Amino acid sequence: LAKTTQPISMDSYEGQEVNITCSHNNIATNDYITWYQQFPSQGPRFIIQGYKTKVTNEVASLFIPADRKSSTLSLPRVSLSDTAVYYCLVGEHSGNTPLVFGKGTRLSVIA
Amino acid sequence: DAGVTQSPTHLIKTRGQHVTLRCSPISGHKSVSWYQQVLGQGPQFIFQYYEKEERGRGNFPDRFSARQFPNYSSELNVNALLLGDSALYLCASSLARGGTEAFFGQGTRLTVV
Repeated sequence: LAKTTQPISMDSYEGQEVNITCSHNNIATNDYITWYQQFPSQGPRFIIQGYKTKVTNEVASLFIPADRKSSTLSLPRVSLSDTAVYYCLVGEHSGNTPLVFGKGTRLSVIA
Repeated sequence: DAGVTQSPTHLIKTRGQHVTLRCSPISGHKSVSWYQQVLGQGPQFIFQYYEKEERGRGNFPDRFSARQFPNYSSELNVNALLLGDSALYLCASSLARGGTEAFFGQGTRLTVV
C-alpha cells in the first residue's frame, strides 16, 4: 500500500480557504486518493475521492497533479465546525485491501 | 436510511475480562470491517468480513476475534482484556469487498481498568 505523508496540524481563521497537501510517492496505477474527516469521538466520514485532475463536491475540492504523487484537499471558507482531523488515504477503489490511516492532519479553525 | 450502528457506545471492563462489541451495517452492505483507534492515532485495521467470511486480518493478537452473521451484522470479541486495549472501536461497512469508500459508525469507547 502506498504510504502517505501529510502535515500533523494546521491552523486557520474562519472564512479562509484551507489547503491540506498529502504526499504519496509510491501510488500504484489502480489506486484512488480518498480523504476522510473525523470529529472527536466519532467515526471518520468520507469527504471526497479522486483518481486524477480535479474533483469537486459540495464539501471540498481535490486537486491531483498529473504524476499523482501528491494531492491537495481544499476546503473553501472554513468555519469553526470544520475543526477536525483530516486523513488522506490511497488504495484501490474496489480492491481487497483495508483502509490504511496515518495520523492525519489536525485542523483547528479559529474565530 | 439508518447508518452504521454500533453498541454499546461506552463500556468499562476490568483487566482479564471478555468483551463483545456489535455492529449493524448499512442495509445492503455486505462488507464489515473493524478498526481500533487509540488516542492521537488514526484507526488501525483489525478485521474485514465479507459474505460472512473473514477476508482480512490486521496485526492483532489472537485474543481478538470476530464473526459476521447471515444478516451481515458483526461482532468483535476481545478476550483477556489488557489496559492497552482501551480505545475507540470502529465498525465500517461498504458495498464492495475492500474498497476505499467506507461508512463508519460512531464507535464503541472501551475503557479497561
